[in-house]
Amino acid sequence: GAGVSQSPRYKVAKRGQDVALRCDPISGHVSLFWYQQALGQGPEFLTYFQNEAQLDKSGLPSDRFFAERPEGSVSTLKIQRTQQEDSAVYLCASSSTGTGDEKLFFGSGTQLSVL
Amino acid sequence: AQKVTQAQTEISVVEKEDVTLDCVYETRDTTYYLFWYKQPPSGELVFLIRRNSFDEQNEISGRYSWNFQKSTSSFNFTITASQVVDSAVYFCALSEAWSGGSYIPTFGRGTSLIVHP
Repeated sequence: GAGVSQSPRYKVAKRGQDVALRCDPISGHVSLFWYQQALGQGPEFLTYFQNEAQLDKSGLPSDRFFAERPEGSVSTLKIQRTQQEDSAVYLCASSSTGTGDEKLFFGSGTQLSVL
Repeated sequence: AQKVTQAQTEISVVEKEDVTLDCVYETRDTTYYLFWYKQPPSGELVFLIRRNSFDEQNEISGRYSWNFQKSTSSFNFTITASQVVDSAVYFCALSEAWSGGSYIPTFGRGTSLIVHP
């Protein structure tokens, strides 16, 4: 597709359930970012990939959060044993360079609600 | 400490009014990048502008203009003759080098702009 695609658009999970959020970046984009956006707040950095290498995961809030990008294209953000505080919109963004200083192209996000 | 401060949580104007969105940033780097993004109700952030720390020239694009002042660490955004379609949340972001040399954008909390007809 022409843009960054995220699925599912909405996810409702029961507390304790595992979830997997998918991101399809723009073809050929080197950098991929995951952000978490709470209601009424700005995006908060979670993790960053340069191709298949996860160069920074300092923003992941706990060891329940795990991200991968095994072939340098599609990425999956996995949250184990979801908690209510995990409820947020999860945004994926990609950019053409590997340096992160260029503009980001964002997906529409996955809205996660943990009941 | 908040690296990007957008002090205005919400601004409400009437169509055709001019409006300025403030952004103040904090960094010790000499090389950094500043951005503005627009987030309409659909949720997808859309890039508006990118400036590097060595270019303080102000920029105008149609009804949009940006004022970058390193002396006050500010990168303000002005919309002239606002329109209803400008209603959205606007985010300012700072991209500075993190460990390993990668630049990671940090976002402010956003300013919600409501333009009434």
